[in-house]
Amino acid sequence: DSGVTQTPKHLITATGQRVTLRCSPRSGDLSVYWYQQSLDQGLQFLIQYYNGEERAKGNILERFSAQQFPDLHSELNLSSLELGDSALYFCASSKDTGELFFGEGSRLTVL
Amino acid sequence: GIQVEQSPPDLILQEGANSTLRCNFSDSVNNLQWFHQNPWGQLINLFYIPSGTKQNGRLSATTVATERYSLLYISSSQTTDSGVYFCAVVIVGGSYIPTFGRGTSLIVHP
Repeated sequence: DSGVTQTPKHLITATGQRVTLRCSPRSGDLSVYWYQQSLDQGLQFLIQYYNGEERAKGNILERFSAQQFPDLHSELNLSSLELGDSALYFCASSKDTGELFFGEGSRLTVL
Repeated sequence: GIQVEQSPPDLILQEGANSTLRCNFSDSVNNLQWFHQNPWGQLINLFYIPSGTKQNGRLSATTVATERYSLLYISSSQTTDSGVYFCAVVIVGGSYIPTFGRGTSLIVHP
């Protein structure tokens, strides 16, 4: 158990819909990262938050947004979903050393 | 941006065999981690190893930062070692965002 909690574990929805993925980091970790892993693909960095503020952005679509709340949990919002958005979405957290710990992922299926 | 290359891309072993996975990177790094993604999709931390050598049971890792590579050794492989092995690096003076290689897919047959 990495200490990073992601919900839901599985999600099936239809094209055009909106979903929210939630992540609780390890105790004491201020940084939260979101990654996307599509079928047979590597891990693509989406966005990073540090202590409530956006720190870095990767290849995140405009239809996607995220935030980190005062209690340090984070949410990734995916809207106007397309078939190609089906993927595993991972959250990771770290302390200042940058060592990442990953949650178990949220598997999104868009039908 | 930084290039992270892992080799081999695929590896098939018989149980009990040893293997070496390699991660090459194009710039000086602050951090380097090895992960195992099991067949259920979970990403498990193996090593945090920006330099030097570490061992954990049948697994060990060595990073030679000056030559820009890291090696992951798996000895006496077991079927539970199957999955994809990723290395991730954070470059010196960069964005501090870990960049992942494309992974080595390992299948261990009984």
